[in-house]
Parts: sequence; structure tokens; C-alpha cells
Amino acid sequence: NAGVTQTPKFQVLKTGQSMTLQCAQDMNHNSMYWYRQDPGMGLRLIYYSASEGTTDKGEVPNGYNVSRLNKREFSLRLESAAPSQTSVYFCASSAQGGPNYGYTFGSGTRLTVV
Amino acid sequence: KQEVTQIPAALSVPEGENLVLNCSFTDSAIYNLQWFRQDPGKGLTSLLLIQSSQREQTSGRLNASLDKSSGRSTLYIAASQPGDSATYLCAGPAGGTSYGKLTFGQGTILTVHP
Repeated sequence: NAGVTQTPKFQVLKTGQSMTLQCAQDMNHNSMYWYRQDPGMGLRLIYYSASEGTTDKGEVPNGYNVSRLNKREFSLRLESAAPSQTSVYFCASSAQGGPNYGYTFGSGTRLTVV
Repeated sequence: KQEVTQIPAALSVPEGENLVLNCSFTDSAIYNLQWFRQDPGKGLTSLLLIQSSQREQTSGRLNASLDKSSGRSTLYIAASQPGDSATYLCAGPAGGTSYGKLTFGQGTILTVHP
């Protein structure tokens, strides 16, 4: 099925460990995004990539890095995980511009940092 | 900066009722507004996308309206069913952008009981 695929679905890290969350889309979308969702805080944008080769900070970028590997793939890296990064992470993609673009979300990665 | 607020935070209704979910936003220059559904432990599913030039969009039992002048959008669900139980989120582009980065409301948790 076409869509956004995220891996892994679940992860437990120890404080200070690093990891990369992977995201791939097969809809030929130009733009990709990483959000985190926390109780009481809603969804907040971490980083986004408007098009291949570009990345920009969102609302809560501290502690994260991203790589737009190619048009399909957009990864999120935690260099030194902290308990405050315990969250559910969602990757999304959208076509750029046009009257009918919309967002497609992945199913999420549940990350716990202990 | 775009701010999005959803009221009520939670809603419980008996099956068969028609209901309205409310979404308000601060940037009236909003380019479009989207409504999403999120089931527990799942990702977000796009329901309806309303462009700024449109007043409403319909999909099955769902109807979403957009009133830029008042900074409001509503999602109307007709003849609610237990399967409609989920969290409903509205989102609009972050201030100053015509597409891409979204600002989300906190969501309305809907429970439809038989």
C-alpha cells in the first residue's frame, strides 16, 4: 500500500544512547516532516524538508538532527537521548503546492528513554 | 504565529446523534485547513482538506466548513456511530506559509456509545 513507512515502531533507549528513526514515502511527495506528540502538548514540528536537499528547523529542534537522504527518505537522529525525548514520533509527507495536496502520516514510533 | 484551539476537549454522545466539533485559529490568512482522525495508538488519517477559496467540504457523513473571517472551522458528523470514536484534530499552516508546516489543535476526544 502506498504511504509513509516508519521504522522502528517501538524503541527503548538508555539516557545518552543514540538512534536514528527512519521514514520513507512512496507517493513522490516533495515535502517531508517530523513531529512529536506528547500528552497535553499536541503535535509539534521538529524538523521539515520542503524539498530534496533542504531541511529546516521546526518548533522543537533541540536535541535532534535530520537527513533528507533522497526524495523518498527523511531520517531523524537523536545523538544523545534524554528522558525528555520520550514521545511518539510521526513522520509525514505532502505534495508541494497545488489545490489538492494533503498530509499523509506514518503510523508512528513510540520511543521511551530511561 | 498560528495558534489553533479545539473545543470541546472531549465529547461523549449516544449513537445516532449529529454532532459538531469546533476549531478556531488566529491567523485569518490561513491558506487551508485540514481535519484528521487519530485512533488510539495509531497515526493520523486525513479526513478533509478545505482550501481558503472553499467554504466547505463533504465526505460521506462528514462535513467541514471554513470561515476565515471569524477564524473558525467546524466538523459536522451526521448520524454518529461507535466506529467514529477517536480523537479528531484540526490543523492549519503555520503563520506566513501557504503550505507545508502545520500547526495542530489539541484535539477533541470523541466517544460514541451504543
